[in-house]
Amino acid sequence: DGGITQSPKYLFRKEGQNVTLSCEQNLNHDAMYWYRQDPGQGLRLIYYSQIVNDFQKGDIAEGYSVSREKKESFPLTVTSAQKNPTAFYLCASSSPHRGGNQPQHFGDGTRLSIL
Amino acid sequence: SQELEQSPQSLIVQEGKNLTINCTSSKTLYGLYWYKQKYGEGLIFLMMLQKGGEEKSHEKITAKLDEKKQQSSLHITASQPSHAGIYLCGALYSGAGSYQLTFGKGTKLSVIP
Repeated sequence: DGGITQSPKYLFRKEGQNVTLSCEQNLNHDAMYWYRQDPGQGLRLIYYSQIVNDFQKGDIAEGYSVSREKKESFPLTVTSAQKNPTAFYLCASSSPHRGGNQPQHFGDGTRLSIL
Repeated sequence: SQELEQSPQSLIVQEGKNLTINCTSSKTLYGLYWYKQKYGEGLIFLMMLQKGGEEKSHEKITAKLDEKKQQSSLHITASQPSHAGIYLCGALYSGAGSYQLTFGKGTKLSVIP
């Protein structure tokens, strides 16, 4: 079945440590996204990528980095510069095309906590 | 101020009752997406609306976009415990070439058996 796989489901970070969240999709979607969800805050966009080897900052990119070397993969690194990383992270993908706007499809999320 | 406001923030209804969730934008919408989320899980796509006055239904859930394309409502008829979760609206504010969605803060729905 086609879908988006995020791993791990739970992740713990120590002080000063970088951690990487994985996002893989087999939907053949061009665009991929990373969101952060905090209680009562809704979803906020961290980074997005419209095509391979290209990505743009979203609303809250500070303390995060991404890469898009393959169409299927869009890993997110939470760096030590991100002082409040505890949150639920969601990856999404979509296949936007001229004349219509396809919905974003989401993975099951990764919950990141600080040790 | 928030570009996209959802109301109410939370809702508790008796099983079998109807309910409505609203999503109001401060700007004209190019598209409006409704999603449902179970706690600790990803978002499940429900419906997409683009045209003013458009209405779509799926099983017992109906979503509408007003003529001015600045407000959408999600209506659930004869609610069931399976409808419980967080409902989020996502707004697309421009057309082809811009793929960012702005999300509301969500409405938490509880259905009492």
